[in-house]
Amino acid sequence: TQLLEQSPQFLSIQEGENLTVYCNSSSVFSSLQWYRQEPGEGPVLLVTVVTGGEVKKLKRLTFQFGDARKDSSLHITAAQPGDTGLYLCAGRVWTGKLIFGQGTTLQVKP
Amino acid sequence: GAVVSQHPSRVICKSGTSVKIECRSLDFQATTMFWYRQFPKQSLMLMATSNEGSKATYEQGVEKDKFLINHASLTLSTLTVTSAHPEDSSFYICSAGTDYNEQFFGPGTRLTVL
Repeated sequence: TQLLEQSPQFLSIQEGENLTVYCNSSSVFSSLQWYRQEPGEGPVLLVTVVTGGEVKKLKRLTFQFGDARKDSSLHITAAQPGDTGLYLCAGRVWTGKLIFGQGTTLQVKP
Repeated sequence: GAVVSQHPSRVICKSGTSVKIECRSLDFQATTMFWYRQFPKQSLMLMATSNEGSKATYEQGVEKDKFLINHASLTLSTLTVTSAHPEDSSFYICSAGTDYNEQFFGPGTRLTVL
């Protein structure tokens, strides 16, 4: 069974702080995607990382794919209340399916 | 960007009735669509993979006779919850796969079975 362990599952911080979310697995993924989901809505794709060691930046968000393509991290710099939401990592396996992490509920207090 | 729609967004039904949920890729063709179920404050659980023109592939523990999936065209997949019961109440989300192996998600359907 392929698992993707995401941590932390809950995070409450003050505006302006930095944070990092981790996703780890013993399995190798062909790519890894990060999503953000608001209550009552579907997940919205933030980024896809494909190459081992790849780093992508999206404004204050930095995504990294591990060299072995088994793990990934999301770092947010100077978090803002608008960053509040559920963040999901998902690894793509060879069948095309996505294996989702447990999700990280982020709350940024003003 | 790739847009996926779902209809209805919210449905309330009586126990024992069947409910059909539609998933459409609006600006691209999707040979593969996926159906997920999500419980409050939890991650997504894959129910089945739907391929256009063929039978869906169900995940372990998902009853295929309970959750009927039809992928009639490259832009439409439907999920029918048959003889719904209160325990079927959940947030159902579909996604559509692109040629670039990315998945784009619909806005979800909130099903409440009374």
